Amino acid sequence: TQLLEQSPQFLSIQEGENLTVYCNSSSVFSSLQWYRQEPGEGPVLLVTVVTGGEVKKLKRLTFQFGDARKDSSLHITAAQPGDTGLYLCAGSLGNQFYFGTGTSLTVIP
Amino acid sequence: NAGVTQTPKFQVLKTGQSMTLQCAQDMNHNSMYWYRQDPGMGLRLIYYSASEGTTDKGEVPNGYNVSRLNKREFSLRLESAAPSQTSVYFCASRGGLGNTIYFGEGSWLTVV
Repeated sequence: TQLLEQSPQFLSIQEGENLTVYCNSSSVFSSLQWYRQEPGEGPVLLVTVVTGGEVKKLKRLTFQFGDARKDSSLHITAAQPGDTGLYLCAGSLGNQFYFGTGTSLTVIP
Repeated sequence: NAGVTQTPKFQVLKTGQSMTLQCAQDMNHNSMYWYRQDPGMGLRLIYYSASEGTTDKGEVPNGYNVSRLNKREFSLRLESAAPSQTSVYFCASRGGLGNTIYFGEGSWLTVV
């Protein structure tokens, strides 16, 4: 059983469309991070959220941390082919760091 | 500016063979981690080390051992490799502003 569940697992959309990826858990996290991973490489940090209800924007990407700090979402506006990749959420519990199941996004030109 | 480096990049093992994956970080981080990544499973924590001299089990520690040799280095050993250990392995360290995790480039291991 994964501590963090992501949905959807796979997403294929046309360039210009909007999308939302969800990250859910029954645990409360002190912080939650989103990563993007490209084939053959390690994950790279996109953002860290630490406060319940926090919203952060990174260009066309909007990240939200749930009020209870158990869930998060990633919204991409006007997706581009360069957004293609595996998106992973990760939560911090003490010294341990747990990753979600991942969402594989393909943006078709 | 190396960050986290891990070796080897690729390895093929026969069932029952042993091997060690090496990892080193040059960011003076206290915490280091070993993850495995399998399709549809995301990244699963094998072992972690909160500081030099300490190691703890993660979600999937069976079949693995680790050594935190010093602050820089954290190795992962497979004593008797099994096909179920075929995976991509990532080493990571954590620290700095925002307590960010930094990953190595991954090690592709195939056990036949």
